[in-house]
Amino acid sequence: KAGVTQTPRYLIKTRGQQVTLSCSPISGHRSVSWYQQTPGQGLQFLFEYFSETQRNKGNFPGRFSGRQFSNSRSEMNVSTLELGDSALYLCASSILPGLNEQFFGPGTRLTVL
Amino acid sequence: TQLLEQSPQFLSIQEGENLTVYCNSSSVFSSLQWYRQEPGEGPVLLVTVVTGGEVKKLKRLTFQFGDARKDSSLHITAAQPGDTGLYLCAGEEDNDMRFGAGTRLTVKP
Repeated sequence: KAGVTQTPRYLIKTRGQQVTLSCSPISGHRSVSWYQQTPGQGLQFLFEYFSETQRNKGNFPGRFSGRQFSNSRSEMNVSTLELGDSALYLCASSILPGLNEQFFGPGTRLTVL
Repeated sequence: TQLLEQSPQFLSIQEGENLTVYCNSSSVFSSLQWYRQEPGEGPVLLVTVVTGGEVKKLKRLTFQFGDARKDSSLHITAAQPGDTGLYLCAGEEDNDMRFGAGTRLTVKP
């Protein structure tokens, strides 16, 4: 069974631009969570989607948003990029939300110049 | 501030040595997970502990959840170069997953 896929793997943007990242969960998984990983802060929870509804949201500004489609694929968007948004963005899928085994994708490395 | 504090931040040892890494918090968690992340990849779940005082073994890895469910440790016996990676702990609090910053382990042959 194919794992979690994320596209693109690498992205370079400049301040003020916006970006959209995509995540395809494992087939049959309906829950998708997004995390931001930086060397200083570690993994920080962005949001979780289940059945096209945002179930939980972390402590990030409104510039960070996401959505989930009927096929469970998810996208996250960051508007008005700042230098501090440079990070590895990880997507994880699980069969159900909450504390279930999460399978992570390889991440999208975003660099903001 | 990090809800989950992991120590040490970095650890470099020789093949065959034993090691212990720690995950501490002032919060009580309903469950705690350990992950290993290798460069260029996402974290991979190693174990989930849910009961205070619980000990789980996975080959050479031994995981312990503190009695008060606020802390956990991971002990590796006879470390091998393949154990190299970033070890992350994560706890569930109020339906949110909180991760520590990780311990970066390097095992030299």
